[in-house]
Amino acid sequence: AQTVTQSQPEMSVQEAETVTLSCTYDTSESDYYLFWYKQPPSRQMILVIRQEAYKQQNATENRFSVNFQKAAKSFSLKISDSQLGDAAMYFCAYRASPRFGTYKYIFGTGTRLKVLA
Amino acid sequence: EAGVAQSPRYKIIEKRQSVAFWCNPISGHATLYWYQQILGQGPKLLIQFQNNGVVDDSQLPKDRFSAERLKGVDSTLKIQPAKLEDSAVYLCASSSWGGSNQPQHFGDGTRLSIL
Repeated sequence: AQTVTQSQPEMSVQEAETVTLSCTYDTSESDYYLFWYKQPPSRQMILVIRQEAYKQQNATENRFSVNFQKAAKSFSLKISDSQLGDAAMYFCAYRASPRFGTYKYIFGTGTRLKVLA
Repeated sequence: EAGVAQSPRYKIIEKRQSVAFWCNPISGHATLYWYQQILGQGPKLLIQFQNNGVVDDSQLPKDRFSAERLKGVDSTLKIQPAKLEDSAVYLCASSSWGGSNQPQHFGDGTRLSIL
């Protein structure tokens, strides 16, 4: 069974600095998708960035980028130039490729990010 | 476009009572998900619909939870009877097609407290 592990319950970063959130996963499949979601106190989950496992190039979305290490089954999120609005819970999520007949997302336990002014 | 709508936003009931949550996905989204998020944990999928058919309900406690998606649009999740461990936020999400890499769009969730 697939699992997703986020080993950092909480992280802090100074405003304008860079922070990296860690995520590891376990799967026997070769084709899948990985996501980072942000959940502010308002509770609505918002997609931050996604990565297809078959793509070697790391995904980037403005200040957010990932370090995808497929062999190590590692998928970390780097936030550059941190802003106060980045403070939230961040969840790493795994989804198998639909070719394998499974669709469900598996979420990690989350990392609470605090941004210090 | 309008987002995923959920109601109510908060609900407080006593154990052994019943409760229902409602979700209206984004227009045109064929796939609908219900998640349970217990405090301090990540969301756990309860049930996934593709149109009005169930794709995955392997983690739904079927002795007390039920869900339906009539006409492939709105969905209702029911708990009867509720237990203390059902206290959680119930999130609804939708995506344009379950077979693609289209991301899920989440609603604001319903926070359920069991007394």
